[in-house]
Amino acid sequence: EVQLVESGGALVQPGGSLRLSCAASGFTFSDYWMHWVRQAPGKGLVWVSRINTDGSFANYVHSVEGRFTISRDNAKNTVYLQMNSLRVEDTAVYYCGRNLVRGSSVWFDPWGQGTLVTVSS
Amino acid sequence: QTVVTQEPSLTVSPGGTVTLTCASSTGAVTSAYFANWFQQKPGQAPRALIYSTSNKHSWTPARFSGSLLGGKAALTLSGVQPEDEAEYYCLLYHGSNYGGPWVFGGGTTLTVL
Repeated sequence: EVQLVESGGALVQPGGSLRLSCAASGFTFSDYWMHWVRQAPGKGLVWVSRINTDGSFANYVHSVEGRFTISRDNAKNTVYLQMNSLRVEDTAVYYCGRNLVRGSSVWFDPWGQGTLVTVSS
Repeated sequence: QTVVTQEPSLTVSPGGTVTLTCASSTGAVTSAYFANWFQQKPGQAPRALIYSTSNKHSWTPARFSGSLLGGKAALTLSGVQPEDEAEYYCLLYHGSNYGGPWVFGGGTTLTVL
């Protein structure tokens, strides 16, 4: 069974740091791009970051650039999101997702169950 | 900053047909935007429905279809069921976009009434 399990969410003060993890199982992890998206309470989904299959390339949404870093360990089947200089507006459920790019076929599935990050003093 | 716009809310009767649309502030949506559609119910993770504009996943009910319509990506539900009541999000690819390559729409709340 293909599965993604996020962890690492917590309550943190503004300016603090947190590292999220997403453990993958049931598929060849190194064949897929991985993404993080987030959802603030009662709000819509926002794309946050992506990393390519070997970890040599990454993108970020402008609002987190320079503060967040995505990385992956293909030996551990895990993708990470290091979040520094956290702001109140970073409060959200963070989901990781698997992304396959094959020619003109680009799809995302599954998404994990999410992990809650709360930034508050 | 790129904005992807969806109808905030739509209401449809059971058995009816409804079309949700997804527009980009950068211009007409084409196949190069690789539109993906997701369904999300309260307290759950998003679930993929449609990829690359019009392709269904193996688990996507036949009543869901994706297309391009009038310069927008579109998700049509034909023969709506009560269990289709949910939030629907589109996701568009914008290449080397300043704000990031992938952008979600704001979501459409679909009510089945």
